Amino acid sequence: SAVISQKPSRDICQRGTSLTIQCQVDSQVTMMFWYRQQPGQSLTLIATANQGSEATYESGFVIDKFPISRPNLTFSTLTVSNMSPEDSSIYLCSVKGQGSNQPQHFGDGTRLSIL
Amino acid sequence: GQQLNQSPQSMFIQEGEDVSMNCTSSSIFNTWLWYKQDPGEGPVLLIALYKAGELTSNGRLTAQFGITRKDSFLNISASIPSDVGIYFCAGAITGGGNKLTFGTGTQLKVEL
Repeated sequence: SAVISQKPSRDICQRGTSLTIQCQVDSQVTMMFWYRQQPGQSLTLIATANQGSEATYESGFVIDKFPISRPNLTFSTLTVSNMSPEDSSIYLCSVKGQGSNQPQHFGDGTRLSIL
Repeated sequence: GQQLNQSPQSMFIQEGEDVSMNCTSSSIFNTWLWYKQDPGEGPVLLIALYKAGELTSNGRLTAQFGITRKDSFLNISASIPSDVGIYFCAGAITGGGNKLTFGTGTQLKVEL
């Protein structure tokens, strides 16, 4: 499966600031997704990153708070804007190849703490 | 929104024992996936199921796609210490944008 690299792996940020997380894949993939995993919880889909167009957000997530870019088939960024302590979570990138029988694979995530 | 319930929530077993966990949904899925997450890492795919009734093995792991398409089961045989971690089920719907809905997770702890 594809090798997925996320940067940074962890960060501690001040409230009110913004952080951009990068996701790089070693091969072209059809789909890229961003998930949030709050402390001790399961994964929740934030949005689907669409190449060359605006991301598709899930209910409860908005572009102003979580702007996403996907300039090509191997790279995407997620920005967490105007952060508050409630945004302290693990943010995970996943990728999926073409075809209905291609599962999603995940990066190791970015562990974000907001003071 | 849609929710997948996993049980048990956590389990403490003896090394060498067999483990069973399941995942149930209020609606139908066309794909069931099982992942394992270790501390500090992202979820790693264990088994993917694409057909109702399908039974698939990966080493000591066996998973089944329920006939109703509303549930799935994961079994681990002869558990070892490295089986410790959190196991997540996830479901997807064909034509649903390939989005995954994750289960609540089962935390497995193994006694030596």
